[in-house]
Amino acid sequence: EVQLVESGGGLVQPGGSLRLSCAASGFTFTTFWMSWVRQAPGKGLEWVANINQDGSEKYYVDSLKGRFTISRDNAKNSLYLQMNSLRADDTALYYCARGGGNHDLWGQGTLVTVSS
Amino acid sequence: DIQMTQSPPSLSASVGDRVTITCRASQTISTYLNWYQQKPGKAPNLLISAASNLQSGVPSRFSGSGSGTDFTLTITSLQPEDFATYYCQQTYVTTRTFGGGTKVEI
Repeated sequence: EVQLVESGGGLVQPGGSLRLSCAASGFTFTTFWMSWVRQAPGKGLEWVANINQDGSEKYYVDSLKGRFTISRDNAKNSLYLQMNSLRADDTALYYCARGGGNHDLWGQGTLVTVSS
Repeated sequence: DIQMTQSPPSLSASVGDRVTITCRASQTISTYLNWYQQKPGKAPNLLISAASNLQSGVPSRFSGSGSGTDFTLTITSLQPEDFATYYCQQTYVTTRTFGGGTKVEI
């Protein structure tokens, strides 16, 4: 089955770190750009970052540069998002999505809650 | 970053209505514009890419048009399953941005 499954979300204190993972299956992971998109509770979609097939190109939304790092492990068919210095406004459902822009496959999301 | 502005933020419509949602980019983006549909509790679903290319499996009552800075998503004869929130997204620059969304309600 073609799918993306995110994991790693949870409750973290302000200033803390979290690493999200996305496991891809059912398609040739190495041929696709991959992205992270987030959605704060009751709010709209916010594009976070994307990465090319071999990990040599990475792009981030300006507001997150320096705090978040996207990476991938093609041997494990996995995408990652390392999140540091987390703030309350980072609270959101984080989606993994196939493609650098045309996101034709999405995971179910993993919830990150930043609170003391 | 390129800013994407959708209007209206929400609208009320009835089954069978024709619905039009607009999306405006803060600078020209050619036809690098996607439309997504999101239902409550679900991940978004790509409806249209490159401003007017309907994705496989998407009903033909959905259509997209526009180029440059102004774009439109049209739903002819709204169906019960179309009540959802719709987002535009530009893919002209590598830092992608979404519009704020348009909620289509009964």
